[in-house]
Amino acid sequence: DTEVTQTPKHLVMGMTNKKSLKCEQHMGHRAMYWYKQKAKKPPELMFVYSYEKLSINESVPSRFSPECPNSSLLNLHLHALQPEDSALYLCASSPHRGAQETQYFGPGTRLLVL
Amino acid sequence: GQNIDQPTEMTATEGAIVQINCTYQTSGFNGLFWYQQHAGEAPTFLSYNVLDGLEEKGRFSSFLSRSKGYSYLLLKELQMKDSASYLCAVRHDRGSTLGRLYFGRGTQLTVWP
Repeated sequence: DTEVTQTPKHLVMGMTNKKSLKCEQHMGHRAMYWYKQKAKKPPELMFVYSYEKLSINESVPSRFSPECPNSSLLNLHLHALQPEDSALYLCASSPHRGAQETQYFGPGTRLLVL
Repeated sequence: GQNIDQPTEMTATEGAIVQINCTYQTSGFNGLFWYQQHAGEAPTFLSYNVLDGLEEKGRFSSFLSRSKGYSYLLLKELQMKDSASYLCAVRHDRGSTLGRLYFGRGTQLTVWP
């Protein structure tokens, strides 16, 4: 089983709303990732968690707040977003952060900020 | 820094063979990945190379030359469903960016009947 699940599939929110994206995997992976992808562009890394600790923050604005409550779950809390934050948000996981292992992506949440 | 280059677009016909090239310049190389991404969907893992040579998986093969900073993805017996973006990604192996993937811009492949 190489499944990473994400909810919701689609999200529309206003600039004053607070919402959360969820990601889950049951493969026993200990590294989890958030990416942002705009149309016709490659995924851009936002955050990396390794063993439930934040290990990489790619200078992401504070209106995006990640959380890793346990080894299977990864959340991305959204607050006061801007229209330019509209994108596909992808979660990925891999067994560990460093070894020669594949990152598996979830189906993504398509976010529209009005 | 990381510099990954691949063609923006390619076209081919059903049944043909197409080769998508990727060149990279990076410090701390720890493997190269190819992902397929259909429009509006998540990237799907296709192949991984860390040693020089060819890896074959059915209709898809991937080649790596570390000394040349070069890889290609070879797709044989093309089908319409192979129309997608193909992303080359290099993994970093050291320091604070250990395990990080650096993606190329992607090659949009269109397969014509």
